[in-house]
Amino acid sequence: GAVVSQHPSRVICKSGTSVKIECRSLDFQATTMFWYRQFPKQSLMLMATSNEGSKATYEQGVEKDKFLINHASLTLSTLTVTSAHPEDSSFYICSASGQQIAKNIQYFGAGTRLSVL
Amino acid sequence: AQSVAQPEDQVNVAEGNPLTVKCTYSVSGNPYLFWYVQYPNRGLQFLLKYITGDNLVKGSYGFEAEFNKSQTSFHLKKPSALVSDSALYFCAVRQAGTALIFGKGTTLSVSS
Repeated sequence: GAVVSQHPSRVICKSGTSVKIECRSLDFQATTMFWYRQFPKQSLMLMATSNEGSKATYEQGVEKDKFLINHASLTLSTLTVTSAHPEDSSFYICSASGQQIAKNIQYFGAGTRLSVL
Repeated sequence: AQSVAQPEDQVNVAEGNPLTVKCTYSVSGNPYLFWYVQYPNRGLQFLLKYITGDNLVKGSYGFEAEFNKSQTSFHLKKPSALVSDSALYFCAVRQAGTALIFGKGTTLSVSS
């Protein structure tokens, strides 16, 4: 099956710093990547959709200057949480889909738990 | 707008008994329906999907789901539950070219 690797799995940072999360598709070309945010015991909320080489499309209410998304290659997307604050603490999950083995399915990374002190 | 409803926050079942986790959806056009499972502090694992064809879909770990267009439902089932099936289950819907929209999730607890 398709494998999506997300790194780091956990990060603790001070308020005001920026944090970068990487999402890689290991065995397929991810033409589209998605970033979700999950609060404890709640569902996944879509933050943004990114297509390789294009600007990300953000969902309503998601600050694009706060959550910078880059999808510069077919195997890598990054989410940078800029000037993080405690309210940004959450579980961030990426997923990817492609035209080959993952055409109609989104495969998910293991998630990144961000804790902002 | 697309939406997914999982009416039960938690489902409790004894090991060896059949289980059902309910899901209903609302979408214009033909839906793509999915079930994912999440273990604590982990990402989501794909279980099964319905795109078109046979209404009964078989997936990973012995799970299956039945697409019912008239009732707009896509309930997840398994004939005999295992303790290791205990996890958080998400139903999701999407249309072609869009991202998955998730239900709020149902915690399945299987007791030995």
